[in-house]
Amino acid sequence: QKEVEQNSGPLSVPEGAIASLNCTYSDRGSQSFFWYRQYSGKSPELIMFIYSNGDKEDGRFTAQLNKASQYVSLLIRDSQPSDSATYLCAVNSPVTGGYNKLIFGAGTRLAVHP
Amino acid sequence: KAGVTQTPRYLIKTRGQQVTLSCSPISGHRSVSWYQQTPGQGLQFLFEYFSETQRNKGNFPGRFSGRQFSNSRSEMNVSTLELGDSALYLCASSVTGVSYNEQFFGPGTRLTVL
Repeated sequence: QKEVEQNSGPLSVPEGAIASLNCTYSDRGSQSFFWYRQYSGKSPELIMFIYSNGDKEDGRFTAQLNKASQYVSLLIRDSQPSDSATYLCAVNSPVTGGYNKLIFGAGTRLAVHP
Repeated sequence: KAGVTQTPRYLIKTRGQQVTLSCSPISGHRSVSWYQQTPGQGLQFLFEYFSETQRNKGNFPGRFSGRQFSNSRSEMNVSTLELGDSALYLCASSVTGVSYNEQFFGPGTRLTVL
């Protein structure tokens, strides 16, 4: 069973629409959640992180976390063609010693068409 | 502040050879994590170093090893290369690597094994 699951897509949305990206995780001990954007041929770039239940907004991006349902999502408002990329959900996985490692989902490919 | 740097950016090796990759974290960051990214497996955690000590290790064979120096720079070594080791190798740095710590990725080293 995969620890972090994402729909691989592609998720196709028209320019100006809201793109909704979803992620579920299996480790109930996870405390921090991250969204990375990765353009083709580039390395992942951190765009959002969330630690508490509820919503966190940053510009056109909103991260939503529901720990009871083990679900985290990313909303992109007013989607632009430049948002076309793969979005990676990452969840911290506590390990012995109190430290953690990041577990990544396989990513959702987003395509925003004009 | 300069970002994470990785050298070399591209490498071509043949089966059986060994390779050493280098990562310089963001100034002040003491945790360095290494990941392997392939189209089929996505981002896989290799290991994490903090203050010259390996704290976490992923599920990779012993051919994959690493170390960290007193200035937080890290190296990763792969011995007896196999075709399946062809991948993008990414390092990421964070301040401490514990929960609630964001990781920032370098540009990656693209390794091709022939």
